[in-house]
Amino acid sequence: EVQLVESGGGLVQPGGSLRLSCEASGFTFTTYSMNWVRQAPGKGLEWVSYISSGSSTIYYADSVKGRFTISRDNDKNSLYLQMNSLRDDDTAMYYCASWNYEGYWGQGTLVTVSS
Amino acid sequence: DVVMTQSPLSLPVTLGQPASISCRSSQSLVSSDGNTYLNWFQQRPGQSPRRLIYKVSKRDSGVPDRFSGSGSGTDFTLKISRVEAEDVGVYYCMQGTHWPITFGQGTRLEIK
Repeated sequence: EVQLVESGGGLVQPGGSLRLSCEASGFTFTTYSMNWVRQAPGKGLEWVSYISSGSSTIYYADSVKGRFTISRDNDKNSLYLQMNSLRDDDTAMYYCASWNYEGYWGQGTLVTVSS
Repeated sequence: DVVMTQSPLSLPVTLGQPASISCRSSQSLVSSDGNTYLNWFQQRPGQSPRRLIYKVSKRDSGVPDRFSGSGSGTDFTLKISRVEAEDVGVYYCMQGTHWPITFGQGTRLEIK
């Protein structure tokens, strides 16, 4: 069974940092490019970042560029998102997802930025 | 950035009736490799999104054949031939041809 399990969300003050993780199982993670997508409460989907299977290609949305860093560890079947300088408008459910072959989404981890 | 515009944003449908959602992009989604990277996702209430359709018209495994995708260039459509209760949720188109990846605003399908 394919699983993507996110963790690391929580409540953080503006200007703070969080590191999200996404652990993959049930498919050949090393061959899949991965994405982070977020959804603010009651809002639509916003793509955040992309990393290729071997980490050679990385993209970010302008809204997070310079503050967020995507990475992966293929030995651990894991994807990460380091989030620094967090702002109120970063509050959202964060999903890891892949769609270059089959479409896989995790259940999400909630990040709340508030003082 | 490529702007994805969906219509309608709200879609009340009677059970058993067809439904159609339009998605228009601000520029062509035909890639240099000849593919058109237009996906459709369904998000049921309280659930994560699920991909239904990729490359305009290819149905994902396990997706009922009442869902179909069509279109080309900048104009795309998701059709449900006969709406069932389990189809309630929000539908998003997404383009993966140009960076950054962009989603439509979402279309909320409800049962009338």
